[in-house]
Amino acid sequence: SQTIHQWPATLVQPVGSPLSLECTVEGTSNPNLYWYRQAAGRGLQLLFYSVGIGQISSEVPQNLSASRPQDRQFILSSKKLLLSDSGFYLCAWSAVHPEQFFGPGTRLTVL
Amino acid sequence: SQQGEEDPQALSIQEGENATMNCSYKTSINNLQWYRQNSGRGLVHLILIRSNEREKHSGRLRVTLDTSKKSSSLLITASRAADTASYFCATDARQAGTALIFGKGTTLSVSS
Repeated sequence: SQTIHQWPATLVQPVGSPLSLECTVEGTSNPNLYWYRQAAGRGLQLLFYSVGIGQISSEVPQNLSASRPQDRQFILSSKKLLLSDSGFYLCAWSAVHPEQFFGPGTRLTVL
Repeated sequence: SQQGEEDPQALSIQEGENATMNCSYKTSINNLQWYRQNSGRGLVHLILIRSNEREKHSGRLRVTLDTSKKSSSLLITASRAADTASYFCATDARQAGTALIFGKGTTLSVSS
């Protein structure tokens, strides 16, 4: 069966520090991968999605970037975090569009 | 951009009652999905209804879709305390490769 992992589960970082969140999927090949951010009490905002290795589409221009170095690995990064980057970051995958399967999320607090 | 908008934003009911949540969207869709999120957790897919379907059932869940009104409803019958969660509708536009667009969600609280 397929599983999706995200780490870390929680993260507290100072403003201006770098960020690296990792997501890996097991049990499937060539998945579509997605990064979402959820602000407190809000819906999900799509940040990036990828249909293959090295293929990244950005939905919201900001100080975040994403990379897909391997088929089942998706990384969300920032060189310098802002206070507004705080939120709950969710990774998801899909095989045959459209159902998506979500990871447990990373709670990021930028101080 | 936000496509789906759920209504109400929050709903409080007693165990055994039915809960109805509504979702409206703006553009043509291929399908509409409902997801559930327990506090601080990832989302779980509940049900998908395609644009050529009008109603779909899954256990205690009933989803309707009215493409002429660009709206959908999720009915949870005989609610339980364990149904307490946030519920989101999500749509995909007709363009290939577009990811899901989620609404802001309805927070359901079921008290025993």
